[in-house]
Amino acid sequence: DSGVTQTPKHLITATGQRVTLRCSPRSGDLSVYWYQQSLDQGLQFLIQYYNGEERAKGNILERFSAQQFPDLHSELNLSSLELGDSALYFCASSIDGGQYNEQFFGPGTRLTVL
Amino acid sequence: GEDVEQSLFLSVREGDSSVINCTYTDSSSTYLYWYKQEPGAGLQLLTYIFSNMDMKQDQRLTVLLNKKDKHLSLRIADTQTGDSAIYFCAESGNDKIIFGKGTRLHILP
Repeated sequence: DSGVTQTPKHLITATGQRVTLRCSPRSGDLSVYWYQQSLDQGLQFLIQYYNGEERAKGNILERFSAQQFPDLHSELNLSSLELGDSALYFCASSIDGGQYNEQFFGPGTRLTVL
Repeated sequence: GEDVEQSLFLSVREGDSSVINCTYTDSSSTYLYWYKQEPGAGLQLLTYIFSNMDMKQDQRLTVLLNKKDKHLSLRIADTQTGDSAIYFCAESGNDKIIFGKGTRLHILP
């Protein structure tokens, strides 16, 4: 158990809908990262937050947004969903975003868009 | 931009050594990592190496770093069925970490 929790574990929804994925980092970790994993694209970095502020942005679509709250939990919002958004979404946390950056991954949320 | 590349698939016979290779482009990388993802689970750090080291050994795992060629490898000795997983190479420096797409290790009986 990494100490990172993600809810829900599975999500099935229809195209055009909007969903919110939730992540609670390990106790004491200030950084939260979101990743998308699909068979064809592999692991794609989406976005990083550090202590409530956006720190780095990766291949995140404009239809996707995220935030980190004062209690350090984070939410990833996916809107106008398309079939191609079906994937495993991972949240990871680390103490800070420094040079040694061991990340602790949650179990993931499997999103299926029908 | 920075990139980390690794082959997508590797098959190895049980008991043999597995060697998973990775190349990266960012010469300012400070740390390089190997993460393991078992079926149905998130990634978990397996080992890491600081960029001023050439080699690191940890039980059955050996990490080799060729900084000149920006090449990292992970050798798993005496590969077991429990080693079947996806292995991700990653590099960090300057507040950023970049992962490769992962190498799926398949163990043949």
